[in-house]
Amino acid sequence: DGGITQSPKYLFRKEGQNVTLSCEQNLNHDAMYWYRQDPGQGLRLIYYSQIVNDFQKGDIAEGYSVSREKKESFPLTVTSAQKNPTAFYLCASTPSFGQGGTQYFGPGTRLLVL
Amino acid sequence: AQSVAQPEDQVNVAEGNPLTVKCTYSVSGNPYLFWYVQYPNRGLQFLLKYITGDNLVKGSYGFEAEFNKSQTSFHLKKPSALVSDSALYFCAVRDRTGGFKTIFGAGTRLFVKA
Repeated sequence: DGGITQSPKYLFRKEGQNVTLSCEQNLNHDAMYWYRQDPGQGLRLIYYSQIVNDFQKGDIAEGYSVSREKKESFPLTVTSAQKNPTAFYLCASTPSFGQGGTQYFGPGTRLLVL
Repeated sequence: AQSVAQPEDQVNVAEGNPLTVKCTYSVSGNPYLFWYVQYPNRGLQFLLKYITGDNLVKGSYGFEAEFNKSQTSFHLKKPSALVSDSALYFCAVRDRTGGFKTIFGAGTRLFVKA
């Protein structure tokens, strides 16, 4: 079954702690994305990656970091510099550009601060 | 600046009645247009997209959307609503000219009453 998996489903962060959210896809998609979802604000783009070993900042990258060492994996680290990390985090992927750009989403990770 | 507007935070409709969820956009050129649906604590699911051709696009679960270039709108419609259609709906646009970014609206919550 092809798709995107995210883990964990819930994640608790303590003050000053870095935490990493996992995103894996077996769709052979080139591009991957991280979004943050807050109530009433829709989805805001944190980072995206078009190919392995390359990624770009989105609209709200401060306090976050990513890596793209493998095509199928795009982990997101929420650093201690992110002062308001409580949100629902969504990972997505798209096939290569030119196919309309339909995004395929993972089930999400809810991050809560202790 | 590119933007997507969903003017209604919430839409209420009785089961069996037609529904419309509105979306307008401000993007240069002829963008790709999408509708996604989100159920509670889940990722977004693709419903339909407009790339080119017929202005009426048919998608999953009996949904359709009408593209109106002069009004820069892409309203989501369904002839007969089901209680199970109750969810959060997102309109999204993507520039055809290049890049991998998709812009999402803030979302409209649909409530279908039995």
